Amino acid sequence: DAKTTQPPSMDCAEGRAANLPCNHSTISGNEYVYWYRQIHSQGPQYIIHGLKNNETNEMASLIITEDRKSSTLILPHATLRDTAVYYCIVSLLTGGGNKLTFGTGTQLKVEL
Amino acid sequence: NAGVTQTPKFRVLKTGQSMTLLCAQDMNHEYMYWYRQDPGMGLRLIHYSVGEGTTAKGEVPDGYNVSRLKKQNFLLGLESAAPSQTSVYFCASSVRGPPYGYTFGSGTRLTVV
Repeated sequence: DAKTTQPPSMDCAEGRAANLPCNHSTISGNEYVYWYRQIHSQGPQYIIHGLKNNETNEMASLIITEDRKSSTLILPHATLRDTAVYYCIVSLLTGGGNKLTFGTGTQLKVEL
Repeated sequence: NAGVTQTPKFRVLKTGQSMTLLCAQDMNHEYMYWYRQDPGMGLRLIHYSVGEGTTAKGEVPDGYNVSRLKKQNFLLGLESAAPSQTSVYFCASSVRGPPYGYTFGSGTRLTVV
């Protein structure tokens, strides 16, 4: 699986958009980009995934560059409850199970 | 709809003792996974299963065994606990097919003294 690089920490003001970057320059053509977050010590929570096109759901938007070497997770109106560690993961879907490798992620702190 | 349930939530073991962590899911997911998380580190895959009766090794399988006798349950065993196995253990499950997300349990905090 391709390796990802994320900043270790970011701050965001409540109500503003939080833009979390991720570099995955060695991504291959059939690898997906996934985003998860982990609030305090809870189990990680799935946010969104994408392959080539930009994606949006009720939680966030995912912008993938045309060359697929980087992506940005956007939380449009961050709240205090969005304070968490955000993981960007690149992975193939194989017949042997979709095994995800979690790095250390980005600690997002949303402040008043 | 409980999702993924892990028991117990907390446990303290003495070195050399054995125990089994239970993961149960009620979503009819084919795939199940066990991860461990240590301070300052990401989650590391211990073992996983792609269906009832199947198991496979992940990134850090040594010192652990697993079984998937029923589709809804995935057991993680420590035969002889060591202090290096002090960690938070997370179970997850996912469907087979399109890249849908994992559903994680709330974790088991294990301390080996």
